[in-house]
Amino acid sequence: GQNIDQPTEMTATEGAIVQINCTYQTSGFNGLFWYQQHAGEAPTFLSYNVLDGLEEKGRFSSFLSRSKGYSYLLLKELQMKDSASYLCAVMDSNYQLIWGAGTKLIIKP
Amino acid sequence: ETGVTQTPRHLVMGMTNKKSLKCEQHLGHNAMYWYKQSAKKPLELMFVYSLEERVENNSVPSRFSPECPNSSHLFLHLHTLQPEDSALYLCASSPQFPSSGNTIYFGEGSWLTVV
Repeated sequence: GQNIDQPTEMTATEGAIVQINCTYQTSGFNGLFWYQQHAGEAPTFLSYNVLDGLEEKGRFSSFLSRSKGYSYLLLKELQMKDSASYLCAVMDSNYQLIWGAGTKLIIKP
Repeated sequence: ETGVTQTPRHLVMGMTNKKSLKCEQHLGHNAMYWYKQSAKKPLELMFVYSLEERVENNSVPSRFSPECPNSSHLFLHLHTLQPEDSALYLCASSPQFPSSGNTIYFGEGSWLTVV
């Protein structure tokens, strides 16, 4: 079966750095997405990785290792507004999106 | 504002009621989706429409009935639901299906409670 694993919940301190991991086992690979979802709001796109390596976008970076079936989302200089759920999703060989259950990130002052 | 609008945002219905969820996208996309989001579970794809034709139906009970009258509008008709159907229902759109590397844009969802 296809599976995406990410931690259920993480806590970090304002101003710090946090890394949210995502491991996957899918039938083929056509890219990995990270979405942010604030409570009661729509999931919004953060990043898309299809090649190995690190993609940096402001305070957020996303890393992919296809050989290890692994990705992480790195958030720097954490702000209170970063408190949200972070969803990892992989597109398989049939272009179906397989979703993780999401990581709830709690930022403390 | 994601360009995908869902109404109502909150709905409480009895198990014998009939109601509908509405979704409208203002992005000019050709594909629209219904997802179910339950607490601490992955998003579950329910239906996909591409150019108003249903292309995916992932073993969803018949008490959920989608309708796509045009590429901008999508409905989810609900009847004789069960309490376990209580969840957040998300509508989404993408330029095409399959979305390939294209981003999927989500609406803010309709919170459904079945009593």
